[in-house]
Amino acid sequence: AQTVTQSQPEMSVQEAETVTLSCTYDTSESDYYLFWYKQPPSRQMILVIRQEAYKQQNATENRFSVNFQKAAKSFSLKISDSQLGDAAMYFCAYSQGGSEKLVFGKGTKLTVNP
Amino acid sequence: DTEVTQTPKHLVMGMTNKKSLKCEQHMGHRAMYWYKQKAKKPPELMFVYSYEKLSINESVPSRFSPECPNSSLLNLHLHALQPEDSALYLCASSPQGFMIQGTLAYEQYFGPGTRLTVT
Repeated sequence: AQTVTQSQPEMSVQEAETVTLSCTYDTSESDYYLFWYKQPPSRQMILVIRQEAYKQQNATENRFSVNFQKAAKSFSLKISDSQLGDAAMYFCAYSQGGSEKLVFGKGTKLTVNP
Repeated sequence: DTEVTQTPKHLVMGMTNKKSLKCEQHMGHRAMYWYKQKAKKPPELMFVYSYEKLSINESVPSRFSPECPNSSLLNLHLHALQPEDSALYLCASSPQGFMIQGTLAYEQYFGPGTRLTVT
């Protein structure tokens, strides 16, 4: 079975600085997708970024980018120029190609200090 | 527009009550999901409906009964719940999977959730 591990239960960053959240996963599949979701205290889970396993190029979305290391099965999220609104729980998630299921990590709570 | 709506926002019910949670999306998504989320934990999948048919049931107790009346609406009927069922219930939907290299990938979009308290 696939597993997703987020080893940092909590992280903090100063406003305007950069922070990296770690995620590793375990799978024997070749076709899969990786996601980062953000869940602010208001509760709504928001899709931040998606990475297809076959793509070597790292995905980016504005201030959010990933470092996808397929051989190491690592999928970290970098947030640049951190803003107060980035404070949230961040979940890394895995989806096998063709599957409607998401496998979530336990989450990392990010605090942004002014 | 990636909006999934859920009602009510909060629900308090006794163990003998019957209530329902409602989820709507008007994005033409073909799959809808129910998740249960405890505080500081990731969401746990409960049910998946694909083209209005139940495709996944993650061995959820029968006191939770899902229903998909049409492609835009998903209900979760609750009956004889236990206090440990208190949680945030999230609905999600995903569009038709996009084909990449022979496999389908799905992106899930979540609603704001219903905070359920069972007394």
